[in-house]
Amino acid sequence: AQSVTQLDSHVSVSEGTPVLLRCNYSSSYSPSLFWYVQHPNKGLQLLLKYTSAATLVKGINGFEAEFKKSETSFHLTKPSAHMSDAAEYFCVVSEEAGGFKTIFGAGTRLFVKA
Amino acid sequence: SQTIHQWPATLVQPVGSPLSLECTVEGTSNPNLYWYRQAAGRGLQLLFYSVGIGQISSEVPQNLSASRPQDRQFILSSKKLLLSDSGFYLCAWSVMTHSNQPQHFGDGTRLSIL
Repeated sequence: AQSVTQLDSHVSVSEGTPVLLRCNYSSSYSPSLFWYVQHPNKGLQLLLKYTSAATLVKGINGFEAEFKKSETSFHLTKPSAHMSDAAEYFCVVSEEAGGFKTIFGAGTRLFVKA
Repeated sequence: SQTIHQWPATLVQPVGSPLSLECTVEGTSNPNLYWYRQAAGRGLQLLFYSVGIGQISSEVPQNLSASRPQDRQFILSSKKLLLSDSGFYLCAWSVMTHSNQPQHFGDGTRLSIL
């Protein structure tokens, strides 16, 4: 069965410090994994995607994520937080198994303190 | 390049009134189309998806319906709105039948029911 768990509903960091948003998944097949960001009253914007190529994926705005199959994790990181990073982040897993299905995580709210 | 448009951006409707939200995609053909609802502070709930003109799949029983009269047009409707229909409605598209392709979102419609 397919599922995705974002381990933290809220994360608070200071500007200039590293960001870590955690995501674990389960999938019976080779999944594709995505991270999206949502600013208030906006749609979701794709940050990055993993589709069975390089396990370290670089995205927009300095974010990256590492696919670790042994740990079934796909954590999102950024070396130095900026105030504009404050938003909601969603981890998403998608797989093809006689048709395809996409599951969204519940989201992690990132707060950035000055 | 592909773009997705949703309108209106905000809508205030009385209980019992009808609803029509429209979404159009440009720059691609035969997309998968999706309607999501996002309640305040919560994740995304898939309402409907479509793999072609006139082909609609419903994920949850509810007061809403969807139609796809043209290849790149997706409409969300209701005959009589309920208070529980309030929320943030998002339309999205993706390349057909590939789980490794991300969904791309519109900017959403904020619907308030009075």
